[in-house]
Amino acid sequence: KAGVTQTPRYLIKTRGQQVTLSCSPISGHRSVSWYQQTPGQGLQFLFEYFSETQRNKGNFPGRFSGRQFSNSRSEMNVSTLELGDSALYLCASSSQGAFGTDTQYFGPGTRLTVL
Amino acid sequence: GESVGLHLPTLSVQEGDNSIINCAYSNSASDYFIWYKQESGKGPQFIIDIRSNMDKRQGQRVTVLLNKTVKHLSLQIAATQPGDSAVYFCAEKRNAGKSTFGDGTTLTVKP
Repeated sequence: KAGVTQTPRYLIKTRGQQVTLSCSPISGHRSVSWYQQTPGQGLQFLFEYFSETQRNKGNFPGRFSGRQFSNSRSEMNVSTLELGDSALYLCASSSQGAFGTDTQYFGPGTRLTVL
Repeated sequence: GESVGLHLPTLSVQEGDNSIINCAYSNSASDYFIWYKQESGKGPQFIIDIRSNMDKRQGQRVTVLLNKTVKHLSLQIAATQPGDSAVYFCAEKRNAGKSTFGDGTTLTVKP
């Protein structure tokens, strides 16, 4: 079974620009979560999508948004980029929907650098 | 708010020794806890998890202990190998898709 894939792997943008990151979950997984990882803040939860609906949301500004398609693929968008948005953005998928011990499988991440 | 923290940011052990990585959490309502391993350039990889109604769970060369009285969990790695060198995260989970992660402990295995 193929793992979680993320594209692109590396991205360099300048302040004020916007960026879209893509995540393809493991086949059959309906839940996709996004995380931001930085050296100072660790892994921070952005949001989770399940069956095309945002189900959970972290404490990030509205510049961070996402969506999920009917095939469970998900995109994350960051508008008006700031220097502090430089980070590794991780996507994780899991099979179960609501509650339970569904294991999250992470992709390799997209390394975003904002200049 | 809830938090999950690791006791030591770095840990260095000799190859063949046992490693113990510790983690403290604040939310007593957590359903279960997970340990992840993250190697350089890769995303976190699931190692083992434990439900809040358990005290101990064993995997291959790894054991997780949960002490709900003091809100502490640990990951024990037996016979640590160079391939175990990585950053280890503990996380607590209540709802699907929403996990709170600790900051990570960097484990270095010396040959």
